[in-house]
Amino acid sequence: DQQVKQNSPSLSVQEGRISILNCDYTNSMFDYFLWYKKYPAEGPTFLISISSIKDKNEDGRFTVFLNKSAKHLSLHIVPSQPGDSAVYFCAASPSSGTYKYIFGTGTRLKVLA
Amino acid sequence: SQTIHQWPATLVQPVGSPLSLECTVEGTSNPNLYWYRQAAGRGLQLLFYSVGIGQISSEVPQNLSASRPQDRQFILSSKKLLLSDSGFYLCAWSGGSGEKLFFGSGTQLSVL
Repeated sequence: DQQVKQNSPSLSVQEGRISILNCDYTNSMFDYFLWYKKYPAEGPTFLISISSIKDKNEDGRFTVFLNKSAKHLSLHIVPSQPGDSAVYFCAASPSSGTYKYIFGTGTRLKVLA
Repeated sequence: SQTIHQWPATLVQPVGSPLSLECTVEGTSNPNLYWYRQAAGRGLQLLFYSVGIGQISSEVPQNLSASRPQDRQFILSSKKLLLSDSGFYLCAWSGGSGEKLFFGSGTQLSVL
């Protein structure tokens, strides 16, 4: 049972435009969410996080939105740059202190110059 | 600053051979440690996590095992590899609050 889902395996966006990556989850106990970026043959690098007490968090070109009622979060990248081309993973964890992060299957973003 | 080391970077092993992947963390104490696997075309699957020496939680029943002999050392092992064990293995750590995972550079394992 996939508790964290990224239903779009790939996304292509023109340079300078907005990239929107989506993530859905099924477990209502999840209340801390992370986004990671991964290049081939490398470990994922942390981008941005959000906890359930917020509905938005911004860091430079990256903004994460959380809709708890819909169990949905999204990552916005504005403006998109060719260097943003990578696989993006969302991850979720409950606040019970188990520190178990469940990752989605990833979305491959391609930013076209 | 904290760093995580994972080796080897690539490994090719025959079916039925043993496996040992090692991960060490520097610059922090009592980290939470994790092993993840990314199989071809799939997401990151949590295999094991540890909140302390000798404390291992297994998430997926399989022929892999993990051990934490020291505070900042995490080892992934198998006695006999299967073809399905091929994948990209990632070690990660988080602090006590568990708010963020930091990943190693990964090991690409090919079982032939």
